[in-house]
Amino acid sequence: DAKTTQPNSMESNEEEPVHLPCNHSTISGTDYIHWYRQLPSQGPEYVIHGLTSNVNNRMASLAIAEDRKSSTLILHRATLRDAAVYYCILRDRDPLGNYGGSQGNLIFGKGTKLSVKP
Amino acid sequence: DAGVTQSPTHLIKTRGQQVTLRCSPKSGHDTVSWYQQALGQGPQFIFQYYEEEERQRGNFPDRFSGHQFPNYSSELNVNALLLGDSALYLCASTRTASSYNSPLHFGNGTRLTVT
Repeated sequence: DAKTTQPNSMESNEEEPVHLPCNHSTISGTDYIHWYRQLPSQGPEYVIHGLTSNVNNRMASLAIAEDRKSSTLILHRATLRDAAVYYCILRDRDPLGNYGGSQGNLIFGKGTKLSVKP
Repeated sequence: DAGVTQSPTHLIKTRGQQVTLRCSPKSGHDTVSWYQQALGQGPQFIFQYYEEEERQRGNFPDRFSGHQFPNYSSELNVNALLLGDSALYLCASTRTASSYNSPLHFGNGTRLTVT
């Protein structure tokens, strides 16, 4: 699996937008970009994923660069509850739309620790 | 709808002992994966179970073994515990049939301390 690079930590003020960057210069054409986050004392939780187009859901937005070598997770209004470690992960998907033999295997880096100040 | 549940939440063992951790997947899920998370690190993949068989394995020694039951629940066994096995052990589940669009759901883990 291709690797991702994220800043170790970021700070944000409550109710302001947060842009969390991720570099993945060796991404392949079949790699999906996934984001998970881990709140203190909890297991990771899924945030969002995308392939080429920007994606939105109730939690966040994902902006993907045209060359797909980088992406940005956007939290539109940070709350104290958004303080967590955010992981950017690449998952390879085969032409049939499955994750093949690696569907259970996420390769986590160290992620970005987001602090939110009141 | 219960999510992924793990037991126990905390465990203290002595070096050389054996431990068994348990996981019940989210309702409707049939695939279970186990991860080890050392302090300050991201989770590391141990292995994945589907249809009661180990389907994929990460870079972990044979001291780490597992099992999946017909009801899709799973156990992680670690033999001959080492101090370095102290970590948070996470279980994650997903539904294989829709895996391409199905994220992993994680439990809150079992904190294992080896003394």
